[in-house]
Amino acid sequence: EIVLTQSPGTLSLSPGERTTLSCRASQSISSRYLAWYQQKPGQAPRLLIYGASSRATGIPDRFSGSGSGTDFTLTISRLEPEDFAVYYCQQYGSSPYTFGQGTNLEIK
Amino acid sequence: QVQLVQSGAEVKKPGSSVKVSCKASGGTFSIYAISWVRQAPGQGLEWMGGIIPIFGTANYAQDFQGRVTITADISTSTVYMDLSGLGSEDTAVYYCARGPSDSNAYYYFYWGQGTLVTVSS
Repeated sequence: EIVLTQSPGTLSLSPGERTTLSCRASQSISSRYLAWYQQKPGQAPRLLIYGASSRATGIPDRFSGSGSGTDFTLTISRLEPEDFAVYYCQQYGSSPYTFGQGTNLEIK
Repeated sequence: QVQLVQSGAEVKKPGSSVKVSCKASGGTFSIYAISWVRQAPGQGLEWMGGIIPIFGTANYAQDFQGRVTITADISTSTVYMDLSGLGSEDTAVYYCARGPSDSNAYYYFYWGQGTLVTVSS
């Protein structure tokens, strides 16, 4: 099973700032099969990025993903108030299709 | 537009079983993988397993092997998740989820609304 470790656990930032979230895998993820989700309280997760760097339909271009092998990042270029939420990475290259433990992005 | 509509909240006794349904509408049902992901209160997301209805065979996470059964009824476009041997640790919101219409990979664009399963004596 591939274990995904996200860092940091919590990030306190202000609107307008830039941020990078990290997701590290315990073994290489094939074909960059890495996705990122945003989840707000009481809601289902929302797909942001798939294939490590492809934005899902309807996702603003301030969200970008990069990485390969075992190290992946999600960058939000300029935080909007609605971006404060929990972010999860997920690998779908090898069953079981595991999730990271999440990064809580909170308003400073 | 694809929609996934799940059955309602359940309260179960320890040791019992629960069966949650996920009815899909819009688009083709049988060729896309539908998975179950759960989230315990205040915790992260946990992949339980998935099925491609046209093939009928489910794929399960090892942590749930032997306790979970995922089935699909193509005639009603519904996927079911049956979890047995419930304990308090199974109290969670259970989501069904599916990928976008241009992919059958196991990442998720469409999500059900979630079903809260509470296990309590």
